[in-house]
Amino acid sequence: QKEVEQNSGPLSVPEGAIASLNCTYSDRVSQSFFWYRQYSGKSPELIMSIYSNGDKEDGRFTAQLNKASQYVSLLIRDSQPSDSATYLCAVNPSSNTGKLIFGQGTTLQVKP
Amino acid sequence: GAGVSQSPSNKVTEKGKDVELRCDPISGHTALYWYRQSLGQGLEFLIYFQGNSAPDKSGLPSDRFSAERTGGSVSTLTIQRTQQEDSAVYLCASSGRTGDEQYFGPGTRLTVT
Repeated sequence: QKEVEQNSGPLSVPEGAIASLNCTYSDRVSQSFFWYRQYSGKSPELIMSIYSNGDKEDGRFTAQLNKASQYVSLLIRDSQPSDSATYLCAVNPSSNTGKLIFGQGTTLQVKP
Repeated sequence: GAGVSQSPSNKVTEKGKDVELRCDPISGHTALYWYRQSLGQGLEFLIYFQGNSAPDKSGLPSDRFSAERTGGSVSTLTIQRTQQEDSAVYLCASSGRTGDEQYFGPGTRLTVT
């Protein structure tokens, strides 16, 4: 079983719609969770971090964390063609280590 | 302010040669990480430095890989006797402290011919 799992997609949504990206993780004691956006040929760019259960909103982005279900998601409201990219879910399994475990990423396509 | 910088941006080397990749973290960040991303593969953790503590080398794939961090700032990742399977994008990230948000540099694309 992979430690961090994401649907590879592609996830295709029309412009203006809500895109929902999901991620599950296997290590129940994981402490912190991150979403990165990666455009083709570029390095990952941090979008959101979330550390406690519930929702965290930042502009058009909302991260949701459910530790009991070992599930973290990212919602993108009013999706734009410029949101088309690969979205990487990353998990820090322990407060004693800095390393992140990444999912394989979900490719999002926003169609005008 | 300035972000994480890496050099070179691209490196082509012959199989068997040694290479050095450099990372300059965000000023004031005490934690520095190396990852690599191969075509079709996810981001793979290599090594992590936190202040003056011993580095976490648990992700290094073989003893041909080593890294150091001088003066708590700049880091160099060295790959000895490069192999074709070492071809990947090597990414450096830094954070204010362990567990904080990590910010990535632009990466070094290594091609071993």
